[in-house]
Amino acid sequence: GAVVSQHPSWVICKSGTSVKIECRSLDFQATTMFWYRQFPKQSLMLMATSNEGSKATYEQGVEKDKFLINHASLTLSTLTVTSAHPEDSSFYICSAWLAGGYEQYFGPGTRLTVT
Amino acid sequence: AQTVTQSQPEMSVQEAETVTLSCTYDTSENNYYLFWYKQPPSRQMILVIRQEAYKQQNATENRFSVNFQKAAKSFSLKISDSQLGDTAMYFCGTRERAQKLVFGQGTRLTINP
Repeated sequence: GAVVSQHPSWVICKSGTSVKIECRSLDFQATTMFWYRQFPKQSLMLMATSNEGSKATYEQGVEKDKFLINHASLTLSTLTVTSAHPEDSSFYICSAWLAGGYEQYFGPGTRLTVT
Repeated sequence: AQTVTQSQPEMSVQEAETVTLSCTYDTSENNYYLFWYKQPPSRQMILVIRQEAYKQQNATENRFSVNFQKAAKSFSLKISDSQLGDTAMYFCGTRERAQKLVFGQGTRLTINP
């Protein structure tokens, strides 16, 4: 099956700094990628949908200036958490949709801890 | 807007038993897809089974099968001959033509030896 990678798998940063998370589709081209956030023992909440070469579409309540998403190529999308605060600590998961297919392929997730 | 509801926060069964996880959803679309994903302790999301709404026949994948009731907007997952490796969080999800996959709250399933 198709593989999606995320880097880093775990990151710790200080409050006020920015951190970038990469999501790559390794063996297919993803015209659309999705970013989810998951708090402990909770479901995945969709943050935004990114299409290659265009601006991301953010879900209601998600601060677009805080969570910057760039989908510069068909295999790479990045999520930058700007001016991170402890409440941004969470598990971030990306997924990629193979055009013409049914399934979204998920990355292994990135655990962000803001101290 | 599409919504998904999983009314069972936790379930626990003995190994080899059969267990059914419930899911109801709401959508304004006529064409959509339904999914069950499994999230083990590693937190990697794994597709268990999918169902196209236009297909009347219930999907099956080995020990996993669904009971899709379109009129009732119900999509339950049955796991037969449950195994210890089935212990995980299970998420029901729907995807409309807009390509946005939305999940329910999840059901934590524990298979006991």
